[in-house]
Parts: sequence; C-alpha cells; structure tokens
Amino acid sequence: DTEVTQTPKHLVMGMTNKKSLKCEQHMGHRAMYWYKQKAKKPPELMFVYSYEKLSINESVPSRFSPECPNSSLLNLHLHALQPEDSALYLCASSQETILGSEAFFGQGTRLTVV
Amino acid sequence: AQTVTQSQPEMSVQEAETVTLSCTYDTSESDYYLFWYKQPPSRQMILVIRQEAYKQQNATENRFSVNFQKAAKSFSLKISDSQLGDAAMYFCAYRRRRDDKIIFGKGTRLHILP
Repeated sequence: DTEVTQTPKHLVMGMTNKKSLKCEQHMGHRAMYWYKQKAKKPPELMFVYSYEKLSINESVPSRFSPECPNSSLLNLHLHALQPEDSALYLCASSQETILGSEAFFGQGTRLTVV
Repeated sequence: AQTVTQSQPEMSVQEAETVTLSCTYDTSESDYYLFWYKQPPSRQMILVIRQEAYKQQNATENRFSVNFQKAAKSFSLKISDSQLGDAAMYFCAYRRRRDDKIIFGKGTRLHILP
C-alpha cells in the first residue's frame, strides 16, 4: 500500500464554519505534511509532523490548526477561514531519509471558502 | 536558506521528441536529495525521479533521466520519446538529509504536441 488518502476531495465552507481535513497513510512513514497549493503555483509547506512532533511554517495563520492523533493520521482543523484560503490542500508522508527520501502525496482536498 | 529555481514557466515538445527541463538550486548543505515531481490535471503529485547528492551517477527511470551537476547546483530532467501522457506541471524539489522539509520550485508546464 503506497497510498496517502485524503478526505474529503472537495469542500465548500463559509467563513464562520469549522471543518476538518483528514489524511491517512499505512506505509509506516514517520513524517507527515500539509501543503497549500494555489492555482498554477508550487506547493507551500504549512506543517510537518515528524515522530508526531510538530514543526510549523511561521507564516501560517492560526485559523489553521494541525493535529496528529497517531503516526498514521493527520488532520487539519479549519476555523474562520478567509476567501483567500481557497486552495488545494495536499497531504504527504515520507519515511526515514536513510531508507528513502521522497514524499508520497494524496490527491488533495479542493477547498473553497465562500 | 535553500531555494529552488525553475526558469522555464512553460515548454512544448513534439510527441516522440526529447525535451529537457531546467532546475537550479542553492544550498550550503553537502548531503541532500533532489526530486522531480509531476502533477497532471488530476492534481496528484507523482514522483518522477530522485537523486541523492552523494551519488555521482545520474539517476535514470525508463524514459526519464537527470543531469546532476553538483558543483554548478544544477539538476535538469530529460524526457525522451515524449508521450501525450507526459503533459503536466513538473516541479523540481529539494530536501536536505537532516530534516523533513521539501522545498519546491515554481514549476514548468509541459505541453506535448501531437
């Protein structure tokens, strides 16, 4: 199983809503990531969990809140988002760099904030 | 800080021909990984090829090969016998060995002309 599974695939939410994006991998990877990708732009790293320890991109607003319940699951909690937060949100995972180095990506959640 | 630069926003190639996508990067590290990812309209990021910086031999995966010039900090991707399914956005990416952050270039959109 080399899959990273993200749900939902599409999400439309209002600025006052609270929602969560979910990501799951069963490859035994120890690092999991959230990336934000705007149209025709590269993915921008938001958060990294490595051995369930969080590393943050300081520019990410607090209305995005990551959670790593266990080594296979990664959530992104969304609250009071703005229309400019509309984007593709990609989850990825990777393993020890001595065993491998690349990140495996999910298909993403297309988020629209109205 | 590490940076990845792709100077070609778009390229076109005739089907069955060969095309080379350029990538340069800046780092003070000696031990790192480089990747080319493909993102088709289906939006999932797919690893095309990877290169370990300590390896002098250029990586090859079927029709895809790289020209890795460590001193020049250059990492180009050559696609031979281009196929219609190769049409996608291609991202060059960098990861230093001692942490988990993967940094992407701005991407090159590749069009395949039938």
